[in-house]
Amino acid sequence: EAQVTQNPRYLITVTGKKLTVTCSQNMNHEYMSWYRQDPGLGLRQIYYSMNVEVTDKGDVPEGYKVSRKEKRNFPLILESPSPNQTSLYFCASSFGPGLGNTIYFGEGSWLTVV
Amino acid sequence: GDSVTQMEGPVTLSEEAFLTINCTYTATGYPSLFWYVQYPGEGLQLLLKATKADDKGSNKGFEATYRKETTSFHLEKGSVQVSDSAVYFCALSDPGDMGYSTLTFGKGTMLLVSP
Repeated sequence: EAQVTQNPRYLITVTGKKLTVTCSQNMNHEYMSWYRQDPGLGLRQIYYSMNVEVTDKGDVPEGYKVSRKEKRNFPLILESPSPNQTSLYFCASSFGPGLGNTIYFGEGSWLTVV
Repeated sequence: GDSVTQMEGPVTLSEEAFLTINCTYTATGYPSLFWYVQYPGEGLQLLLKATKADDKGSNKGFEATYRKETTSFHLEKGSVQVSDSAVYFCALSDPGDMGYSTLTFGKGTMLLVSP
């Protein structure tokens, strides 16, 4: 079954304590992205990756890092989380360039920073 | 840059009512258009899509037609059910977005259907 898997699904953490949200896809997709969803703002892209070792900033990258050492994995790293990073996070993946390209989403990770 | 504007919610309807959720867009290229749905406590699911002008995407009784002349992609359903209660997101991707591989989203519209 085609899947994008995120972990953890729910997390409460404290300000400044480094955390990583993992994302893995089993579809051999080249393109992967992270989005955050906030009330009244919809989804905004944090970072994206076009292939292994190729990453770039999205619309709201401040306070986040990513890495793409393997094709299937694209972890999101919060080095020093702050309360304004409390949000719902989605990982997404797709094959690559192409009209009508279907983008698959994970189930989301609810993060609360206190 | 690209943007998507959709009607604010919540949209509150009775079961079997007709649904329209408006969506308009601006894009630098020739975009593909999508509707995603998010049920309570769940992630995003692709509901339907259209890749060129006058295409109609459809799924689960929902429809949307790609109108290039009005830059719109309104979502419709003839008879909603309680189980359709969810948040609906209009989105686009265009050639500049890594070749259609990332999405620009609207802010979402919550639909509440009562029995």
